[in-house]
Amino acid sequence: NAGVTQTPKFQVLKTGQSMTLQCAQDMNHNSMYWYRQDPGMGLRLIYYSASEGTTDKGEVPNGYNVSRLNKREFSLRLESAAPSQTSVYFCASGGRSPGYNEQFFGPGTRLTVL
Amino acid sequence: KNEVEQSPQNLTAQEGEFITINCSYSVGISALHWLQQHPGGGIVSLFMLSSGKKKHGRLIATINIQEKHSSLHITASHPRDSAVYICAVSNFGNEKLTFGTGTRLTIIP
Repeated sequence: NAGVTQTPKFQVLKTGQSMTLQCAQDMNHNSMYWYRQDPGMGLRLIYYSASEGTTDKGEVPNGYNVSRLNKREFSLRLESAAPSQTSVYFCASGGRSPGYNEQFFGPGTRLTVL
Repeated sequence: KNEVEQSPQNLTAQEGEFITINCSYSVGISALHWLQQHPGGGIVSLFMLSSGKKKHGRLIATINIQEKHSSLHITASHPRDSAVYICAVSNFGNEKLTFGTGTRLTIIP
C-alpha cells in the first residue's frame, strides 16, 4: 500500500499562474483533507471531503477550489496564485467514524509563489 | 472552536533524558491525537486516545479528560526523536481536527 500520495513535491509559480495539486489514497477512506502549514501557524484546514461527492470549506478556503474526483482522489486548485499562498500543502485521509478519525498524511508539496 | 495549546514550544535535551510535552484544550473532545513531523518530512500519527494511557515503544501518551490535558512522554530519548510533535483534537460527529502549533524537540548526542 502506498498510503497517501501527493504530486508534485515541489513547485514554483509566478503570481497569477494556476496549478492543481493532486492527492490519492489507497486505504479506502471516506474522508480526505487539504491543509496548509506555515511557520508558527500550525496546520490549517483548507477544504475537506467527508465522502465521495461532497466537499466543505475549512478554516482558510479563500483562493482555493477542490474536487473529490472519486473515493481515491482529492485535488486542490489554485486559480490565480498569490505570494500569500506560499506554503507547504499536505493532503490527508481518514477512515474511522466521525470524532475518532485518525488521519494519514501525504508527504507534502512545497509551493513557492513569486 | 476548540483551542489547543502546547508547551513548551521548543525543547532541547541530552540523549537519554526523559521528555515530557504537554497539550491543553478548551472544550470537550472525542479524541486527542499526537503526531510527529521530522525536519523536512511528512507527518505521522503516533497516538489517538480518548482516555487513560497508550504506549508504543519508548513513547507514552496520557490524557486527563477532567483537566482537559494530555502529555506525551519519551523515555531514554535519542537523537532520532528530534522532530516537531503536534497535538490535535477531534470533536464528536466531526471529521475535522484542530491542531496545536507544535513542539520542536532537539535531542543532543
